[in-house]
Amino acid sequence: AQKVTQAQTEISVVEKEDVTLDCVYETRDTTYYLFWYKQPPSGELVFLIRRNSFDEQNEISGRYSWNFQKSTSSFNFTITASQVVDSAVYFCALSEDPSGGYQKVTFGTGTKLQVIP
Amino acid sequence: NAGVTQTPKFQVLKTGQSMTLQCAQDMNHEYMSWYRQDPGMGLRLIHYSVGAGITDQGEVPNGYNVSRSTTEDFPLRLLSAAPSQTSVYFCASSLTDGGYTGELFFGEGSRLTVL
Repeated sequence: AQKVTQAQTEISVVEKEDVTLDCVYETRDTTYYLFWYKQPPSGELVFLIRRNSFDEQNEISGRYSWNFQKSTSSFNFTITASQVVDSAVYFCALSEDPSGGYQKVTFGTGTKLQVIP
Repeated sequence: NAGVTQTPKFQVLKTGQSMTLQCAQDMNHEYMSWYRQDPGMGLRLIHYSVGAGITDQGEVPNGYNVSRSTTEDFPLRLLSAAPSQTSVYFCASSLTDGGYTGELFFGEGSRLTVL
């Protein structure tokens, strides 16, 4: 079963629109970490955020905000007033309990965001 | 301020050839890993290591070998390249936090084509 689902393959928005990227995860662990990474057209992977499973407070960083809801196993990412520079592929990822000795970070398949000027 | 360094950035191989992708980090990270990125499939874990002398398999280990003799280096070996191994490969490292993987620092990627 896929552990991290990003159902939106591609999204196009016009500049200055708000956009939300969805991430749904699956885990049996009570302690885990969730991440978002950005991959701009240049190809590098850039860390955006890491949240642990006990901290459900929403987080805001400039135009970026994240909504973590354990009840729905979701960790959604919203970009407010999108800009062309936000055009990228965004990956959600899950790091689960390493007690089994398997420190795996599982990535979703990514959402490609295109911001049209 | 090197971070994670991968070489080569581009490589073309013929089926059956062998090669090694090099990865080095200068942040004293315990955790290092290799991912491959294919269209529509996200990043898939090939192998990982939690310290010198310790390695383990990820989701897609077949056809790849790794070793970790030092904290800094984590090379990925393709013993007999196949066209299915055409991909972009990323090396990543992180500190661990109570055993959990922290922020992953990625190299710039290596684009491998197997003909």
